Amino acid sequence: NAGVTQTPKFQVLKTGQSMTLQCAQDMNHNSMYWYRQDPGMGLRLIYYSASEGTTDKGEVPNGYNVSRLNKREFSLRLESAAPSQTSVYFCASSGWASGSSYNEQFFGPGTRLTVL
Amino acid sequence: GENVEQHPSTLSVQEGDSAVIKCTYSDSASNYFPWYKQELGKRPQLIIDIRSNVGEKKDQRIAVTLNKTAKHFSLHITETQPEDSAVYFCAALYSGGSNYKLTFGKGTLLTVNP
Repeated sequence: NAGVTQTPKFQVLKTGQSMTLQCAQDMNHNSMYWYRQDPGMGLRLIYYSASEGTTDKGEVPNGYNVSRLNKREFSLRLESAAPSQTSVYFCASSGWASGSSYNEQFFGPGTRLTVL
Repeated sequence: GENVEQHPSTLSVQEGDSAVIKCTYSDSASNYFPWYKQELGKRPQLIIDIRSNVGEKKDQRIAVTLNKTAKHFSLHITETQPEDSAVYFCAALYSGGSNYKLTFGKGTLLTVNP
């Protein structure tokens, strides 16, 4: 049981390049989330997916797109990366899981992205 | 939408002392308040949570209190140890239908000095 996994762990992009961050969970959770974490800013929600087939904007969605590929996978795409998107990106999931409450969010290990 | 304020942003204590971190929230509909601990370079992990029908919850050296009227909740760590050093985040849950969307505070960097 791997929990929430993310790839890649590190990435360096040049301004204007595109990339997709991958996230998968094996806990049969309905809801999945993408956050970015910047120093002094806490965790800010980019997009979330309450259930398979639905996605909604969070607090800072500009410059990003998401795809809920199936119940397990939720990807985040940067179409044209900008230096302001340099950050640590965390994926999370929540839902009924053995031994946890419904609302607990489990986080992936994060992706450290640098845009030059 | 929900807004969560967290104070202080940094906190330094001596080993064995207590530490208190406070948060306020704006949406009276919020009914779930988790606390996460994030060690350097690691992912956030849930350490304790409280629901709006409970005023206090304890788990060994950690406790959380909730005042729904004042819309604030606090994390209390007693007998602090160096391994408690980390960033702590409070959060509040806004639930709309089947959506569960957490709003996080900006975090508190706790340093426990040996």
